[in-house]
Amino acid sequence: GAVVSQHPSWVICKSGTSVKIECRSLDFQATTMFWYRQFPKQSLMLMATSNEGSKATYEQGVEKDKFLINHASLTLSTLTVTSAHPEDSSFYICSARGRGSEKLFFGSGTQLSVL
Amino acid sequence: RKEVEQDPGPFNVPEGATVAFNCTYSNSASQSFFWYRQDCRKEPKLLMSVYSSGNEDGRFTAQLNRASQYISLLIRDSKLSDSATYLCVVILNTGGFKTIFGAGTRLFVKA
Repeated sequence: GAVVSQHPSWVICKSGTSVKIECRSLDFQATTMFWYRQFPKQSLMLMATSNEGSKATYEQGVEKDKFLINHASLTLSTLTVTSAHPEDSSFYICSARGRGSEKLFFGSGTQLSVL
Repeated sequence: RKEVEQDPGPFNVPEGATVAFNCTYSNSASQSFFWYRQDCRKEPKLLMSVYSSGNEDGRFTAQLNRASQYISLLIRDSKLSDSATYLCVVILNTGGFKTIFGAGTRLFVKA
C-alpha cells in the first residue's frame, strides 16, 4: 500500500513554543491531506482538510491561526501548532489521499506533550 | 444524530470467542465503507473493505446492509492480538470524497 511518513513521532516542548509536524506521501501524489487530533481513549477528530495549493478548510471549533496548515506540494503537508499550551498535548495524525481515490493512508502519528 | 454511530464498548471477550461489532450510518448517499483497526497511540490501519455481498478475510467477515444502513464486522476465534479499537469508516461522494469516522469500538481479548 501507499506510504505516508509523519515526523516527528513525538515531541516535548515548553509552553509558548511552536511545533511543526510534517506529513509526506512517499510514493503517490497526495492531492488531499487531512489532520486529526486524538485525545486518550477518544476518537479521531478531524481538524482540517487541505488540498494542494489551496488554503486548508478547518472544522468548526479549530482555530486556524493556532493550527497553521500548509500543503504547498503534492507530497508534503505541515501542521504548525503555534504558541503551544499544555491543553494542546495530544496525538496528531495526518492522512493522505490521491486524486480520484477514496482510500486514506495514515501517517504514524505525532505525540505532542507541552510542558 | 451522528453520521456514523458505533457502540463504543468496551467488549471484553475470552480468547477463542466470536465477537460482532455494528455500525450505522445516516446518509443514504454513502458510497464506500471500511473497517479500520487502531492500536493505542498508533495510526489507524485499514482492516478491510465492506461490500453488500460480504467480504471475508480469514477470521474477519464484514457485511453491508444498504437498506438498513448498517455495517457489521465479525471476528471469529478471537486472539489476544485482536485487542484494539475498530473504526467504522464511511465515504460520501459529494462532488469530492468525504471521509467520516465512527468513534470506534474498543475490544479487549483476554486469555
